[in-house]
Amino acid sequence: QSALTQPASVSGSPGQSITISCTGTSSDVGTYNSVSWYQQHPGKAPKLMIYDVTSRPSGVSNRFSGSKSGNTASLTISGLQADDEADYYCNSYTSSSTVVFGGGTKLTVL
Amino acid sequence: QVQLVESGGGLVKPGGSLRLSCAASGFTFSDYYMSWIRQAPGKGLEFVSYISTSGSALHYADSVKGRFTLSRDNAKNSLYLLMNSLRAEDTAVYYCARGRNTYGPWGQGTLVTVSS
Repeated sequence: QSALTQPASVSGSPGQSITISCTGTSSDVGTYNSVSWYQQHPGKAPKLMIYDVTSRPSGVSNRFSGSKSGNTASLTISGLQADDEADYYCNSYTSSSTVVFGGGTKLTVL
Repeated sequence: QVQLVESGGGLVKPGGSLRLSCAASGFTFSDYYMSWIRQAPGKGLEFVSYISTSGSALHYADSVKGRFTLSRDNAKNSLYLLMNSLRAEDTAVYYCARGRNTYGPWGQGTLVTVSS
């Protein structure tokens, strides 16, 4: 099972919006609404930010939103803040009953 | 509050074995699938294995199949990962997480280093 494809890095200025893409195949992202997004600060454990493509866990800011079109899921962060600077990972359930992650995207807040 | 605490990591020689544990608290452990995810130094996240609520269903990544064994003890609210025939490429921080493919929360991780 190949990893989902994410851009290695994205950047934005405070207050701006950015979008991170996560491209899979018809065997994972394209078929299952089981795409999640995680935020990981250096030296820390990942934190769930979005699940089931668009849902936000309790306590996660509504500045974070998710969407999907075809084989590509996206995470949008609006009103960028300094603390949003982190690595972001997507994952998806697959038709092989396994789980696949994206390679991760480093977000820099300029 | 919901908490996961991993233990058992350390330095092991290639070909050796290690058993990781994950102690859960703050939720009904037996109601949830549980998983292990690992992260090699400076690399991304990699799915390792998940186990169903009763332990009857398991799935492993191809990279660990036949070498790692996942189990759980619902009476002790604990998850275990027995790792045999360890290789240098198994070196990583191993995270315990609640869920099968949607992970939250995660433990703090335990470092496994495979080196001679």
